[in-house]
Amino acid sequence: GQQLNQSPQSMFIQEGEDVSMNCTSSSIFNTWLWYKQDPGEGPVLLIALYKAGELTSNGRLTAQFGITRKDSFLNISASIPSDVGIYFCAGQLRGGGADGLTFGKGTHLIIQP
Amino acid sequence: NAGVTQTPKFRILKIGQSMTLQCTQDMNHNYMYWYRQDPGMGLKLIYYSVGAGITDKGEVPNGYNVSRSTTEDFPLRLELAAPSQTSVYFCASKQQGYGYTFGSGTRLTVV
Repeated sequence: GQQLNQSPQSMFIQEGEDVSMNCTSSSIFNTWLWYKQDPGEGPVLLIALYKAGELTSNGRLTAQFGITRKDSFLNISASIPSDVGIYFCAGQLRGGGADGLTFGKGTHLIIQP
Repeated sequence: NAGVTQTPKFRILKIGQSMTLQCTQDMNHNYMYWYRQDPGMGLKLIYYSVGAGITDKGEVPNGYNVSRSTTEDFPLRLELAAPSQTSVYFCASKQQGYGYTFGSGTRLTVV
């Protein structure tokens, strides 16, 4: 199956710091999505990217769809305690997404007091 | 509007037992999915359905079966539970062109 390489695996940061994580793939994706998962819950969509080169923001979050369509990154500015959780990138091969998503292994964000 | 509802939330099975994980959505979405999530891993697609009466295999379908008799329901069946099926199972739904909505998961342990 398809593989998404997500890094870093975990991050230990201070409150107020900026965060950056990324995903790379050997395959081209039509859509890149970034999700956050809190303990005991399902993933919740943060940002969706539909075009190569697209840069999209959602509050303190910014994500970009790489020009080659094989990578994406997510930045979080001025982190706050509620940002703690696991962040997943996901790629969708075909438009419409009928055949589901391919997920990265996640980046575990931990904020130290 | 409940979104995607999964039951049960937790279950412990003995090896060889069978069970059905229930998933229902009230958003009239055509597409529905079952994923499993193992510790430290992303979600992997088990089965999906693009509409009532239509199902197809995902990346890891072995040991599972699904049916889609209605738009709302997409149950996942385990016939002979094995320890390798210990995982957290997520159901999701979407409409074409829109984002996915995930349920809150079923945590299954096979002992």
